Amino acid sequence: GESVGLHLPTLSVQEGDNSIINCAYSNSASDYFIWYKQESGKGPQFIIDIRSNMDKRQGQRVTVLLNKTVKHLSLQIAATQPGDSAVYFCAERADSSYKLIFGSGTRLLVRP
Amino acid sequence: GAGVSQSPSNKVTEKGKDVELRCDPISGHTALYWYRQSLGQGLEFLIYFQGNSAPDKSGLPSDRFSAERTGGSVSTLTIQRTQQEDSAVYLCASSVRTNEKLFFGSGTQLSVL
Repeated sequence: GESVGLHLPTLSVQEGDNSIINCAYSNSASDYFIWYKQESGKGPQFIIDIRSNMDKRQGQRVTVLLNKTVKHLSLQIAATQPGDSAVYFCAERADSSYKLIFGSGTRLLVRP
Repeated sequence: GAGVSQSPSNKVTEKGKDVELRCDPISGHTALYWYRQSLGQGLEFLIYFQGNSAPDKSGLPSDRFSAERTGGSVSTLTIQRTQQEDSAVYLCASSVRTNEKLFFGSGTQLSVL
């Protein structure tokens, strides 16, 4: 069945360093991918999304990379800050579907 | 309002009681979703509403769960005869239309004792 998973459940980085959060997906029909950030006690907050006709998209301090060949998605955060500490979820959606399928999340810890 | 609003933010109930969770989506958003998040887990799809179309209830875990959306806006998720395994955060999300990004509320933390 469909699944979205993450390689690293917890990632600890030094403040100021770059962070890379990885995600694998299994449904080759998925054509839309999205990253959410969830802080404690809050709902998921949209970070960035990408469609399958692209392999890279940049936002403010964040970049999402999509490798369809190996079904891999990553989120890069530049100059990680304490406020970036949260759980990050990737999600996928197949063409013509409305369901977002979420992975189990990666916790990002930023060391001062 | 400016975002998706959910109430209550926390609900503690006794096993066997019924609970109602409310969601106010962003004004103008036609699509509304309910997800469930168990401790340390990802988000599990429950139900989807789009305009006046019949909802997709395929994610509801049992017939104790039901949801409705009145007037194409506010939605209520009802859990009857709650069980301890129902304890989770219930998240509501809305989007401008299908296949657009979802905006989530802060969720309702449900604890069944």
